Amino acid sequence: EVQLVGSGGGLVQPGGSLRLSCAASGFTFSSYWMHWVRQAPGKGLVWVSRVNSDGSFTTYADSVKGRFTISRDNAKNTLYLQMDSLRAEDTAVYYCARVTVTSDLVVFDYWGQGTLVTVSS
Amino acid sequence: QTVVTQEPSLTVSPGETVTITCASSTGAVTRGYYPNWFQQKPGQAPRALIYSTTNKHSWTPARFSGSLLGGKAALTLSGVQPEDEAEYYCLLYYANAYVFGTGTKVTVL
Repeated sequence: EVQLVGSGGGLVQPGGSLRLSCAASGFTFSSYWMHWVRQAPGKGLVWVSRVNSDGSFTTYADSVKGRFTISRDNAKNTLYLQMDSLRAEDTAVYYCARVTVTSDLVVFDYWGQGTLVTVSS
Repeated sequence: QTVVTQEPSLTVSPGETVTITCASSTGAVTRGYYPNWFQQKPGQAPRALIYSTTNKHSWTPARFSGSLLGGKAALTLSGVQPEDEAEYYCLLYYANAYVFGTGTKVTVL
C-alpha cells in the first residue's frame, strides 16, 4: 500500500525556520518525482516545489524561491522541505504528492495527509 | 503571473450532469499542459481523479471524465451523486512550474 506521511509542522515565529518531512512507503521511492503543495486556511491549493527522482533537479514557485529548499534522501525514502525566512503568508497545510513523469504523461496520484505550519508571533 | 480560472461554484441535482472548466490566462489549454483534476472534501487531502487530460486512475468512478473543451480543460460528472459534493481543482503544467486552478465548489441539492 502506497503511503506518504508528512511531519514536522508546527508554530514558528516570522523569520524562523522549519523542516518538513514526508516519509514514503509501499513503492520504489527513488523512481518518482515528488512535489510539495500547500493550502492556506480556507483557501485553494498552491503548488510549491518539485524534485526529480534522483534529487538533481528542483524548481520552485516564485513565492518561495530563495527561501525554501526541497530535497530527498532516497536511502531513507524521505522527502524534505526546508523552509527559511518564514512569513505569515506561509501559514498553510503542506502536502507532499507523488508524481510520475514521462514524455506523454504527468500523473499526480498519491498525496500525504498534510502537516500544518503556522507562522505567528 | 499566470492565472488558471475555474467556475467558483456550481449547483446540481442528483443524476444530472455538470462540467467544470479550467482556463489559462496564457491562452488555450492543450494536452501539453497535462491537465490533472483533483477532488477535495473538507478536512481531507486532495484525491486525484484525472491525469494528462483524459486518463482516469484505477479508483476514479466511471461517471468522471476529462476532456478539452473550447480551449479549456474540462471535468464532466455524468449522473452526479450526493457524495460528489466537494471542491474540485485543476492543475496545469507551465515549463518549470505548475499552477492550480482557483477551485470549483460543487453543491449537490
